[in-house]
Amino acid sequence: DTGVSQNPRHKITKRGQNVTFRCDPISEHNRLYWYRQTLGQGPEFLTYFQNEAQLEKSRLLSDRFSAERPKGSFSTLEIQRTEQGDSAMYLCASSLLLIAGESTDTQYFGPGTRLTVL
Amino acid sequence: AQKVTQAQTEISVVEKEDVTLDCVYETRDTTYYLFWYKQPPSGELVFLIRRNSFDEQNEISGRYSWNFQKSTSSFNFTITASQVVDSAVYFCAPSSNSGYALNFGKGTSLLVTP
Repeated sequence: DTGVSQNPRHKITKRGQNVTFRCDPISEHNRLYWYRQTLGQGPEFLTYFQNEAQLEKSRLLSDRFSAERPKGSFSTLEIQRTEQGDSAMYLCASSLLLIAGESTDTQYFGPGTRLTVL
Repeated sequence: AQKVTQAQTEISVVEKEDVTLDCVYETRDTTYYLFWYKQPPSGELVFLIRRNSFDEQNEISGRYSWNFQKSTSSFNFTITASQVVDSAVYFCAPSSNSGYALNFGKGTSLLVTP
């Protein structure tokens, strides 16, 4: 059983550049989440997909951030015009909706992509 | 859940000691879920336990046990006979109002020394 995978694992970029991260969820998981974690803090929710539909976005997700899950499988998170404050670990998680109407599944996390903006 | 507090920032114990990690949360919801995750030095969050708010039966799984008390909004986690491999940051995470997102605390860093 393959877990959640994320690529790249590390990304160093210069301020103002665009970056894109990819997340491959656990096979057949229909829900996918993005979180951001800065040093010394717990992960903070960014956005959530059920299949290909983006159903919830945090206020943390500024206009420079966009996430997609075009075919309900893998997802991409793009940050445009990166700023130094974007430096963080970006975590992806996936879960399987088992019971219709139940909102909270168990989320399984990937290893994360560490972004450093110089 | 609105807010979660993990008051213990760092805990250091000697191997084989028991250790309890505290978690207190605030919520206006009547139904919600509570999670504990572990983040070892490698960085990957590892799922430990999921509880729903209407099941207050406490649980023991090997060296791990959980004490959920809805009346005090607490969901504490105990490791019995700690081992060096237990060294990690432990996060308590109640579900959000929408139910999808998890609200993570700041975590408790546990160091177990030989």
